[in-house]
Amino acid sequence: AQSVAQPEDQVNVAEGNPLTVKCTYSVSGNPYLFWYVQYPNRGLQFLLKYITGDNLVKGSYGFEAEFNKSQTSFHLKKPSALVSDSALYFCAVRSDPPNDYKLSFGAGTTVTVRA
Amino acid sequence: GAVVSQHPSWVICKSGTSVKIECRSLDFQATTMFWYRQFPKQSLMLMATSNEGSKATYEQGVEKDKFLINHASLTLSTLTVTSAHPEDSSFYICSASFESSYNEQFFGPGTRLTVL
Repeated sequence: AQSVAQPEDQVNVAEGNPLTVKCTYSVSGNPYLFWYVQYPNRGLQFLLKYITGDNLVKGSYGFEAEFNKSQTSFHLKKPSALVSDSALYFCAVRSDPPNDYKLSFGAGTTVTVRA
Repeated sequence: GAVVSQHPSWVICKSGTSVKIECRSLDFQATTMFWYRQFPKQSLMLMATSNEGSKATYEQGVEKDKFLINHASLTLSTLTVTSAHPEDSSFYICSASFESSYNEQFFGPGTRLTVL
């Protein structure tokens, strides 16, 4: 079985401040981890992924995430948030080798960046 | 690369009618396509997984006779909501994957279905 937890429903930060969106996961086997962002009435936009290699992953729009195997976490970070970063963020996991290639999504975290 | 499109982007229909949503992989051949449903401000719920040329595998609780999925080619999958009712109103998102990309899923832009 595999699952993802995003412990915060909402994250509020001021523009220019650091942004962190938390994610922990549970899989049997090695994890493939993903972050997506969704704007209202839009599909998912890919931000970044961890498959293997360096634990610090850099992605789109200045976002990065650090894979921490001991803490089973993959928190999303941005050093300086923008108002345009306000959106719904999803963490997702799949195991390697996969049983059936299905992704498990977290419940989502709504990020609000105030000017 | 790895672009997935959906058509239509939104649709409004009357209760009792059927609606077809298309999902296309534009620049790759998709060995597997996935269909998700999303309610407002909630996470994605996987409805079914389809492989080209074979029957779709539905998740528990999803009515296969109501949500007909066809994956007739490596670039096209369709979801038909039959005899739609207002409770079927939702945001439907597809994704597609291919083997040489670690089977990573590439997502379409979604289709907003409103049943009156």
